[in-house]
This record gives sequence, structure tokens and C-alpha cells, in this order.
Amino acid sequence: EAGVVQSPRYKIIEKKQPVAFWCNPISGHNTLYWYLQNLGQGPELLIRYENEEAVDDSQLPKDRFSAERLKGVDSTLKIQPAELGDSAVYLCASSPPGQGRFNEQFFGPGTRLTVL
Amino acid sequence: SQQGEEDPQALSIQEGENATMNCSYKTSINNLQWYRQNSGRGLVHLILIRSNEREKHSGRLRVTLDTSKKSSSLLITASRAADTASYFCATEEGSNYKLTFGKGTLLTVNP
Repeated sequence: EAGVVQSPRYKIIEKKQPVAFWCNPISGHNTLYWYLQNLGQGPELLIRYENEEAVDDSQLPKDRFSAERLKGVDSTLKIQPAELGDSAVYLCASSPPGQGRFNEQFFGPGTRLTVL
Repeated sequence: SQQGEEDPQALSIQEGENATMNCSYKTSINNLQWYRQNSGRGLVHLILIRSNEREKHSGRLRVTLDTSKKSSSLLITASRAADTASYFCATEEGSNYKLTFGKGTLLTVNP
């Protein structure tokens, strides 16, 4: 079974430039998550999708961050414009339906963003 | 914000020894999970323990949960160099299936 796929794996941009990350979850997983992980910290949730609906985006800085999951499968996370403090690893995760309260998540390898 | 807090922040042991990591959290939870992260394989789910369970085993892993103390421990027995990684506890609380991760324990197993 293929895991969660993310691209690119690494991205270096200058501040004020836009950047986008792509995620393809495990087939059949209807729940998709985007996390931000700073160096030496655990992942922090940015947004959670159930199919194509963003059901929890309370931690997403909406002034510069946006996300979409138009067909309920792939998802894109965008930052525009990027700031120096956005340098971090952006992780995508997915989980299958029907787990109820037991929410094991499957993570992709992440995209390491460096903003210069 | 991060609910779980792992202790110690870093741990270095010899191959074959046991490693114990602890996690403390602040609010009531549905379940607590442990994840491992290394550069080769990213973040991987290890084990989940429900709030009504006290102990769980999976291979060389043993997890305990004490909801009265709001704490959990992860024991890795007979450690191997390949166990070198960061270990995170994550708590699920409320009805929105949100996982909140701690800052992690960096485990180094020396051959």
C-alpha cells in the first residue's frame, strides 16, 4: 500500500514569495491533515479535512495561509507571501473512515521549507 | 499549543538496554498515542492506548497510562541502534479527533 505522498520534499524561497505544497493521501482515507513542525518541536495542526470540507482550520493563519482539497483526495497548502518565520517542515497526514474515536494518523515525509 | 510534554528531552543508552520515556498532559483525553520520527521514515504511529486502558504491549514496546496522574510512559526493551529517533506522545481529546503532540524525546541508542 502506498503511503502519503508529499511534494516537493525541499523548497527554498526568498521572503515575500509564494509557495505551495502538495499532498496525496493514502487511497480511501477521507480525513486529511496539514501540520507544521518547527525544529525541536512536535507537529502542530494547521487544518483538518473530512472529504472536501475543512472541519478544523482554527490554527491556520488565514492572512497568508490557504488550503484546498477540491475533490476530497489531493490537497494543496499555500503560503503567500512567505515570511522568515515560516521556515519549518510541513507534514501531511491522513486517516481512514470509521475509526471513530481512535484516530491513528499516517504521515507523509514532509516538505522542508526554508525562507531566506 | 502543545498539551503533552515528554521527559526526558534527550536520552542516550547502549544497545540492549531498556529505554523509558514519559509523557504528561493537562486535560482529559480519549486516547494517547506514541509516534516515532527519524530522518529515514518520517513520523510513524507506534501504539495507541485508550483512556480506559492502563497498559498495552506491542512487540518490544510497553505503554502505560495513568489518567489520575495524567501521565503515560513508553518502555522500549532490548533497544537497538535502529530505535534511534525522536519519540512523541500525542493526545486526542474532545469530539473533534484532534491530536496534540508533545515536544518529543530524542533517543540515541549507541551500538
